[in-house]
Amino acid sequence: DQQVKQNSPSLSVQEGRISILNCDYTNSMFDYFLWYKKYPAEGPTFLISISSIKDKNEDGRFTVFLNKSAKHLSLHIVPSQPGDSAVYFCAASATRGGSNYKLTFGKGTLLTVNP
Amino acid sequence: DAGVIQSPRHEVTEMGQEVTLRCKPISGHDYLFWYRQTMMRGLELLIYFNNNVPIDDSGMPEDRFSAKMPNASFSTLKIQPSEPRDSAVYFCASRRGTGTSVSYEQYFGPGTRLTVT
Repeated sequence: DQQVKQNSPSLSVQEGRISILNCDYTNSMFDYFLWYKKYPAEGPTFLISISSIKDKNEDGRFTVFLNKSAKHLSLHIVPSQPGDSAVYFCAASATRGGSNYKLTFGKGTLLTVNP
Repeated sequence: DAGVIQSPRHEVTEMGQEVTLRCKPISGHDYLFWYRQTMMRGLELLIYFNNNVPIDDSGMPEDRFSAKMPNASFSTLKIQPSEPRDSAVYFCASRRGTGTSVSYEQYFGPGTRLTVT
């Protein structure tokens, strides 16, 4: 049973345009969400996170939006650059309770930004 | 500041052989995680440690897998005997979980690509 789902395996956008990556979750105990970026032959690197007490968090070109009622979050990259081409993983954590240190990951979305 | 270090980066072995993967977490991090990434299952947590003590090993697939953390700066993941279906990329990650700088972000090593023939 996949608790974190990234339904789009891949996404292709033009340089300078907006990239929107989506993520859905099913576990209502999740209250902290993270996005990771992964280049080939490297480990995932932390990009941005959001707590469930917020509905938006921004860091430069990256913004994460959280819709708790829909159990949906999205990552916006504006403007997209060729160097953003990577696999993006959505992850979630239930920070209250005994498992608050575990992250559950989606399967990732491959973003390709074309020059 | 050095990140998480994993060795070897690549391992090719024959079915039935013992495989040992190694990890050095970031200094000061008191949580260490082992993950496996495959095309079919994505990134899945195998086991994690807090202050060198295994806390949750429910993700370890079989008794052939074992993990240890003898001290705060070293952990191993061992597969004995290895099988072709163990072929995957294995990641180690660490995070700080106590003190004034608690964060939920985990920092990953570069991974070990294991191929069992």
